[in-house]
Amino acid sequence: DAGVTQSPTHLIKTRGQQVTLRCSPKSGHDTVSWYQQALGQGPQFIFQYYEEEERQRGNFPDRFSGHQFPNYSSELNVNALLLGDSALYLCASSLSFVGYEQYFGPGTRLTVT
Amino acid sequence: AQSVTQLDSHVSVSEGTPVLLRCNYSSSYSPSLFWYVQHPNKGLQLLLKYTSAATLVKGINGFEAEFKKSETSFHLTKPSAHMSDAAEYFCVVSDRGGTSYGKLTFGQGTILTVHP
Repeated sequence: DAGVTQSPTHLIKTRGQQVTLRCSPKSGHDTVSWYQQALGQGPQFIFQYYEEEERQRGNFPDRFSGHQFPNYSSELNVNALLLGDSALYLCASSLSFVGYEQYFGPGTRLTVT
Repeated sequence: AQSVTQLDSHVSVSEGTPVLLRCNYSSSYSPSLFWYVQHPNKGLQLLLKYTSAATLVKGINGFEAEFKKSETSFHLTKPSAHMSDAAEYFCVVSDRGGTSYGKLTFGQGTILTVHP
């Protein structure tokens, strides 16, 4: 049983560029959440997708957007990259309405130069 | 609204001695509480969870946590530390209702160092 997978593992971008990160949830899970973990900090909630719609959103600007596909996989898009967007981006999956635990992928390390 | 405070940013213990990582939470609703562990350059692994059943929760690798509503605490303990326990630990809260439903709020993390 595959767990949560994310791609790519590492990414280097330049300020002003756009980036897309991808996530496949754990088998049987229907909900995907995205988190940003800056160096030395705890993860911060970006948003959550369920039934292909954004259900919850944290305090992140509109430059951060997402999508969920019919197979429950998800993408995180960040436009107009800033140096401060450099972080580990974590995807987590869960089964909606059954407990609240979320299972995390290994993350994508984004470096903005 | 929900929030978490981890009272120690660093904890250092000797191998074989007890571990105590402290966590206080704030929640507008009955909370779910979790401890996650993150080893260097790895993702987050769920250690244990509290979701309104028994207040003493047992997790993996010998870790336990006790939910104390009167103290709004959820401290993580282990009777005997092992070298492999060295990692960063996060206390996490999720409101089971309201506008924060389904959202995890993480503490700032506690780095556990285990000395031989």
